Amino acid sequence: NAGVTQTPKFQVLKTGQSMTLQCAQDMNHEYMSWYRQDPGMGLRLIHYSVGAGITDQGEVPNGYNVSRSTTEDFPLRLLSAAPSQTSVYFCASSYVLGGYYGYTFGSGTRLTVV
Amino acid sequence: KNQVEQSPQSLIILEGKNCTLQCNYTVSPFSNLRWYKQDTGRGPVSLTIMTFSENTKSNGRYTATLDADTKQSSLHITASQLSDSASYICVVSEGGGADGLTFGKGTHLIIQP
Repeated sequence: NAGVTQTPKFQVLKTGQSMTLQCAQDMNHEYMSWYRQDPGMGLRLIHYSVGAGITDQGEVPNGYNVSRSTTEDFPLRLLSAAPSQTSVYFCASSYVLGGYYGYTFGSGTRLTVV
Repeated sequence: KNQVEQSPQSLIILEGKNCTLQCNYTVSPFSNLRWYKQDTGRGPVSLTIMTFSENTKSNGRYTATLDADTKQSSLHITASQLSDSASYICVVSEGGGADGLTFGKGTHLIIQP
């Protein structure tokens, strides 16, 4: 049982390039979400999905796209990378725990845009 | 605007000593408060989750307290170990899903031998 798997672990992009951060979970969770973590700030929600075919924007969605064609996968696309998108990105998969959600996070992707 | 403030920003203690981390929040409505541990280069891992009706919850050497009236929480670590070196993040939920979470900036804890 791998949990939440993120690839790649590290990536360097040039300004203007595009790329996809991969996130896969094997726990059959319906709810998945993407966050970015910047120095001196709390995690901020980029996009989330309550199930296959359904996505919604979080606090900082600009410059990112998502899709959810299967329960297992929730890729995050950077359309045209900018230095401001240098960050550590975390994907999370959520499960119902009593009356609320529990979250399992991946190990993160450290992205540098030069 | 919902906010979660943690203190101290960083803390260094000797192995074997106890410590307490603080979390104050202004999140409304309130559903639950979580403490996460984040090791360097890893994702956050849940330590405790408390609803408004719970005053304290333990997970091994970690004990979290919650005062919903004053909107304060603390995380107490007993008999610290080198493996406790990490960032500890307080997260408050309004209920619902990820869009209802407010994350604190974390307290960076270093345990020295």
